[in-house]
Amino acid sequence: DGGITQSPKYLFRKEGQNVTLSCEQNLNHDAMYWYRQDPGQGLRLIYYSQIVNDFQKGDIAEGYSVSREKKESFPLTVTSAQKNPTAFYLCASSYWSSYNEQFFGPGTRLTVL
Amino acid sequence: RKEVEQDPGPFNVPEGATVAFNCTYSNSASQSFFWYRQDCRKEPKLLMSVYSSGNEDGRFTAQLNRASQYISLLIRDSKLSDSATYLCVVTVNQAGTALIFGKGTTLSVSS
Repeated sequence: DGGITQSPKYLFRKEGQNVTLSCEQNLNHDAMYWYRQDPGQGLRLIYYSQIVNDFQKGDIAEGYSVSREKKESFPLTVTSAQKNPTAFYLCASSYWSSYNEQFFGPGTRLTVL
Repeated sequence: RKEVEQDPGPFNVPEGATVAFNCTYSNSASQSFFWYRQDCRKEPKLLMSVYSSGNEDGRFTAQLNRASQYISLLIRDSKLSDSATYLCVVTVNQAGTALIFGKGTTLSVSS
């Protein structure tokens, strides 16, 4: 089955630790995205990537880092510099065009203690 | 002005009711429009794209008014399973722009 997978589903970390969230897709999509969603809020774009070895900052990139070494994979690292990391993190992918809808993974719920 | 605005609701309706959601967007250069559905603690899933001529998919009808920068979603004969948050989403035709999400409108359908 084609789709987007994210792991883990739930993640707990101590304050001050870096943590990496996984995102993999087998849809042959060019573009991949990371969003953050807080309770009662809309999705906010963290980073996106159009092609391998290239990525761009979104609206709230501070305290996060990404890599795109393979077309299928777009991991997100939440660093200790991120002030409020507890949130629901969603990865998405699409063909690169503003006309194409994005498909989302199931999300990772990160809690920093 | 926020880029995409929606009435957060909640909209509480009985089964069988017709309910309409509205959404306004601020960027007149917006090119593509979508309605996504998000269930509690789940990822958003595409419900339907919105075309200039309006489009219908079963009980769901989407309309776009570019002049007023307004999008609507109409749900007829509401089902319990329609209970969810509905997200209005737009894209702008610029290189490197991703989707812009509204905060969503929550619908609760009761028996």
